[in-house]
Amino acid sequence: SQQGEEDPQALSIQEGENATMNCSYKTSINNLQWYRQNSGRGLVHLILIRSNEREKHSGRLRVTLDTSKKSSSLLITASRAADTASYFCATDAIDYGQNFVFGPGTRLSVLP
Amino acid sequence: EAQVTQNPRYLITVTGKKLTVTCSQNMNHEYMSWYRQDPGLGLRQIYYSMNVEVTDKGDVPEGYKVSRKEKRNFPLILESPSPNQTSLYFCASSLSNVGAKNIQYFGAGTRLSVL
Repeated sequence: SQQGEEDPQALSIQEGENATMNCSYKTSINNLQWYRQNSGRGLVHLILIRSNEREKHSGRLRVTLDTSKKSSSLLITASRAADTASYFCATDAIDYGQNFVFGPGTRLSVLP
Repeated sequence: EAQVTQNPRYLITVTGKKLTVTCSQNMNHEYMSWYRQDPGLGLRQIYYSMNVEVTDKGDVPEGYKVSRKEKRNFPLILESPSPNQTSLYFCASSLSNVGAKNIQYFGAGTRLSVL
């Protein structure tokens, strides 16, 4: 499968702490995106990082990309209970006709 | 308001009874796709369409059909549903499938149970 993988599968932290999630993928890409899903609902786009970028910030989100290792990380700083959700990375898998491929996700629980 | 609308949101049916899940977007997007989400497996792409009358198989197309007669609509058809198609289904659309234009907008989901 061309699917990537997120690590860890589940993460529990206290409010105010930082949360780091990692994503690995297998094919060449144009860009990598992170999405958030509240329980059972549609995914919402968070941030996109291009293959020629190494780091990107958006509010409390920081994304890094290492194309040599085919990996990315999402850091959420000063987490809040409202950040509780599942987080998915997604790539446009060039080697597979630019199909859009999602990883299995990380379930983040932020405890008040 | 820009949105992707799926119907129905919930559906319980029996094995073999044909059903259609509708999907419509109002953003003039060219690329549309269907995913199914199962515990531990993430989202898997069923079919996608790069434009009107252009559709192609994703990772798990068996047992599904799609059509793209109009740009805004991309229905998912289960001709003879089976219990292993019990899942949470999402429709998504984007401007294209290339570069920064492939940011996906998702519908709210359709929870399907096949008895």
